Amino acid sequence: DAKTTQPPSMDCAEGRAANLPCNHSTISGNEYVYWYRQIHSQGPQYIIHGLKNNETNEMASLIITEDRKSSTLILPHATLRDTAVYYCIASRYAGKSTFGDGTTLTVKP
Amino acid sequence: NAGVTQTPKFRVLKTGQSMTLLCAQDMNHEYMYWYRQDPGMGLRLIHYSVGEGTTAKGEVPDGYNVSRLKKQNFLLGLESAAPSQTSVYFCASRKLSDRAVYEQYFGPGTRLTVT
Repeated sequence: DAKTTQPPSMDCAEGRAANLPCNHSTISGNEYVYWYRQIHSQGPQYIIHGLKNNETNEMASLIITEDRKSSTLILPHATLRDTAVYYCIASRYAGKSTFGDGTTLTVKP
Repeated sequence: NAGVTQTPKFRVLKTGQSMTLLCAQDMNHEYMYWYRQDPGMGLRLIHYSVGEGTTAKGEVPDGYNVSRLKKQNFLLGLESAAPSQTSVYFCASRKLSDRAVYEQYFGPGTRLTVT
């Protein structure tokens, strides 16, 4: 897996977009970028993944730079329930990934 | 579907005691994983399995053993518990796919304290 770097914490106002950055400058061509989140010590929850193109689902959008060295997870309208630790992972194969320390996102009223 | 379940939810052990954590999934997933999460830190992979009867080491396998005798179950054993194994243990599973889709489904966790 490629090493990923995320800011330790971020704040966001409720109703605004939350933009969470991730650096993965050593990512290989066949490694995907995945995002998970963990709400208050529950088991992590899958959010989204992508390879080259930008992706969107009902939870979030993923923007990957053209050189694939960084990405941004976007929560378009953050709510208090989005307060969580967000993990960015760059991986190709199962069974070898470790979740780093992630970014603690705090959504404030 | 219950998804991924873990038994027990909480446990306190004394140093040197042994125990087995059970993970069960009803989604017919091929892959299963055990992670540990220490306070304020991310998840670290202990062991994983790519199918019934097969297991492999992750990042932090020392002090743990695993077994996958049935596809739906993945057991994590501590033969001689140590205080350093105090942690929250998460089990996860995912479906085998010809695409490198990495959508893991996680259980609620087992909180283990070793005194």
